Amino acid sequence: SYVLTQPPSVSVAPGQTARITCGGNNIGTKSVHWYQQKPGQAPVLVVYDDSDRPSGIPERVSGSNSANTATLTISRVEAGDEADYYCQVWDSSSDHVVFGGGTKLTVL
Amino acid sequence: EVQLVESGGGLVQPGGSLRLSCAASGFIFSSYSMNWVRQAPGKGLEWVSYISSSSFTIYYADSVKGRFTISRDNAKNSVYLQMNSLRDEDTAVYYCASLFSGWYSEYWGQGTLVTVSS
Repeated sequence: SYVLTQPPSVSVAPGQTARITCGGNNIGTKSVHWYQQKPGQAPVLVVYDDSDRPSGIPERVSGSNSANTATLTISRVEAGDEADYYCQVWDSSSDHVVFGGGTKLTVL
Repeated sequence: EVQLVESGGGLVQPGGSLRLSCAASGFIFSSYSMNWVRQAPGKGLEWVSYISSSSFTIYYADSVKGRFTISRDNAKNSVYLQMNSLRDEDTAVYYCASLFSGWYSEYWGQGTLVTVSS
């Protein structure tokens, strides 16, 4: 089955740029979606179809996808961005929704 | 306003059964697919099952196939997850989530906790 690999943790100082990667075999051929989850809360969609943002998500949140890596980029990081982030794809080969293992973003 | 409200969670013994419900409002429920996603304590998100708007297409994760059954009642704006032969590793918060435009979930419920323990 298809596997998505994320780093367990990323740390960044306030005001800097955080990049969270999501690796997968030829992931560039798939549509990648990203969710933010804060403790005790349900996940929130922050990027869909590689780089589109739902309404209400700030422009400093962006996504890209190429070859074997998709990336969620958060610019001008704020304390409120501290959360777990998950990438997700649809694997048509197995008819499965697949989530990455999640990345904990820590704002120093 | 879109709302998804799960119910039916609780404590169940290994080998037991439980039926989760998810009541939807604020959108034309019969037009959209739905997912169940779970999260074990301290762990990441795990997709469980998918059902299309008409119930024609259904998919399951390998970990639950043959034990769990997803269904929906469009007249009641609800989706269900019948869970049988429950195992310790099924302990998790279970979320229902909508799929409006593609293979991603725009809206999620608040989740319902299922604890499998003797």
